[in-house]
Amino acid sequence: AQTVTQSQPEMSVQEAETVTLSCTYDTSENNYYLFWYKQPPSRQMILVIRQEAYKQQNATENRFSVNFQKAAKSFSLKISDSQLGDTAMYFCAFMNNAGNMLTFGGGTRLMVKP
Amino acid sequence: DAGVTQSPTHLIKTRGQHVTLRCSPISGHKSVSWYQQVLGQGPQFIFQYYEKEERGRGNFPDRFSARQFPNYSSELNVNALLLGDSALYLCASSRIPGQGAQPSYNEQFFGPGTRLTVL
Repeated sequence: AQTVTQSQPEMSVQEAETVTLSCTYDTSENNYYLFWYKQPPSRQMILVIRQEAYKQQNATENRFSVNFQKAAKSFSLKISDSQLGDTAMYFCAFMNNAGNMLTFGGGTRLMVKP
Repeated sequence: DAGVTQSPTHLIKTRGQHVTLRCSPISGHKSVSWYQQVLGQGPQFIFQYYEKEERGRGNFPDRFSARQFPNYSSELNVNALLLGDSALYLCASSRIPGQGAQPSYNEQFFGPGTRLTVL
């Protein structure tokens, strides 16, 4: 069974600064997918960024980028130029190659301060 | 295009009762997954359905059941409700899950959830 660990329950950052959220996972599979989801107070889970394990290049989506270290089983999210609207819970998630389930970490609550 | 929709938004039940939650996937998506999110925790996988067949089941008791209809919408049923069933129930849809599918086809898009309170 896979496990996903987010070791930072809460983090804060000043507006316009950069913050990095950590995630580690454990799996015996070689091919899989990793995701970061954002859940604002409105509850809607929104996909932020996706990484395929077979790709060495780190994924980037505008202000969001990941640092994927497959050997270390680490998948951190970097948010550049933080905005007030980035305030939310952030969940790291693992999907197996069968594509039939997501395993989530416990989440990191991010507060962006003006 | 409309996103994933869920109904009802909120629900209050008492212990021992039964509940049915409903989900409509994004148009063109054939797979629906259900997750339970207890307050303060990450979502936990309950079921995945694809083409009306169960493709995955999480570690939940038999009181939890689900089905998928020909139009790909889905119902989650929970019998004999317990206080611990109080949670946000999330539905997610994806195009075609599984090995060999294009990576984007595995992406799960979530609905707004149903908040279930068991008293």
